[in-house]
Amino acid sequence: DAGVIQSPRHEVTEMGQEVTLRCKPISGHDYLFWYRQTMMRGLELLIYFNNNVPIDDSGMPEDRFSAKMPNASFSTLKIQPSEPRDSAVYFCASSLWESGANVLTFGAGSRLTVL
Amino acid sequence: AQSVTQLGSHVSVSEGALVLLRCNYSSSVPPYLFWYVQYPNQGLQLLLKYTSAATLVKGINGFEAEFKKSETSFHLTKPSAHMSDAAEYFCAVSENTGNQFYFGTGTSLTVIP
Repeated sequence: DAGVIQSPRHEVTEMGQEVTLRCKPISGHDYLFWYRQTMMRGLELLIYFNNNVPIDDSGMPEDRFSAKMPNASFSTLKIQPSEPRDSAVYFCASSLWESGANVLTFGAGSRLTVL
Repeated sequence: AQSVTQLGSHVSVSEGALVLLRCNYSSSVPPYLFWYVQYPNQGLQLLLKYTSAATLVKGINGFEAEFKKSETSFHLTKPSAHMSDAAEYFCAVSENTGNQFYFGTGTSLTVIP
């Protein structure tokens, strides 16, 4: 399995531009999570889906952030308009219950820099 | 809500020395516990997990962790550090519903040759 695939790996954009981050989860995994990692705040859960349905989006910072999962093999996280404080590494993770626990598998991350 | 505390944001050990990374959690019910490792510019990789079976859990790369309910701890150890162990380590907990994961702030491990 190729694992969780994220694109782009690096994105540099200017304040006010729209940013779209993409994620392909592992086939068969029925949960998908979006996390944000910064030095100041560590790992923060933004939103997670179960069977393509958003379950908890309480971590989404504000209305500028939106996430979709149109099918079991694809999810997007969109920021519009972007701001410098959105600069972070965004991780997608998918999970499957195994040995009695839900185990996360992370992608390599998308490093976003907003100038 | 759960919380995870990792004592020591930076730990340095000599190559060949014991590695001990500390993790304490808050939970009123037995949780699921995890250790993840993150190498530079990479995502988090699962090292090991505790799911209410054996309290001593063995993971990859020679790491192990012991669940101690009385101390609400899940410390990560490795008998002999290797240069390749230098990385960021995260402790995480989830409740038995398993859908919410709470991560610690991470411990950066430096291995001194």
